[in-house]
Amino acid sequence: SQQGEEDPQALSIQEGENATMNCSYKTSINNLQWYRQNSGRGLVHLILIRSNEREKHSGRLRVTLDTSKKSSSLLITASRAADTASYFCATGNSGNTPLVFGKGTRLSVIA
Amino acid sequence: GAGVSQTPSNKVTEKGKYVELRCDPISGHTALYWYRQSLGQGPEFLIYFQGTGAADDSGLPNDRFFAVRPEGSVSTLKIQRTERGDSAVYLCASSLTGNVNEQFFGPGTRLTVL
Repeated sequence: SQQGEEDPQALSIQEGENATMNCSYKTSINNLQWYRQNSGRGLVHLILIRSNEREKHSGRLRVTLDTSKKSSSLLITASRAADTASYFCATGNSGNTPLVFGKGTRLSVIA
Repeated sequence: GAGVSQTPSNKVTEKGKYVELRCDPISGHTALYWYRQSLGQGPEFLIYFQGTGAADDSGLPNDRFFAVRPEGSVSTLKIQRTERGDSAVYLCASSLTGNVNEQFFGPGTRLTVL
């Protein structure tokens, strides 16, 4: 079963614009992670935010987490054509429990 | 190696055949996970190992699926009597033991059952 739901399912923007993707989940979590996937193959870990954190930055990425609303957002600033990929949020509990992924947002950045 | 590796990268088989998919995790990672991803979906959990033992196999869809990790490193996912519905990308991930679970994924094996 999949806990998270990303919104929108697909997003198309021009190079240089910002891209915002949202994720909602259902149960309490220890952390939430965002991954990127190119061409339906391996996932690349982008950023992890713990349940006691509200915002985190990494380069052009900004992630927010609102545990009261059970939602997170991923912002990619100054997008590039190379950012074209599918982006997934995944929720984790404490310890080494498996991640629960959403269905993903397909981002297309047009040069 | 530097990352998680999976072999083969692609596997085409016929309905009813047996297949084995291999995962080589990052050295020193004690936790290993198998996920399955169908087209247009996010990865779905199958099974995870802590060392040599399966800590949670609740995601395995039925008894045709089985996985082993005999020495606590390489893992093999085994599928018996494959069905067309088993076609998917099978992803393996590994992580260190700890409270926060950052997982590192391999490139996946694309299984096609004809």
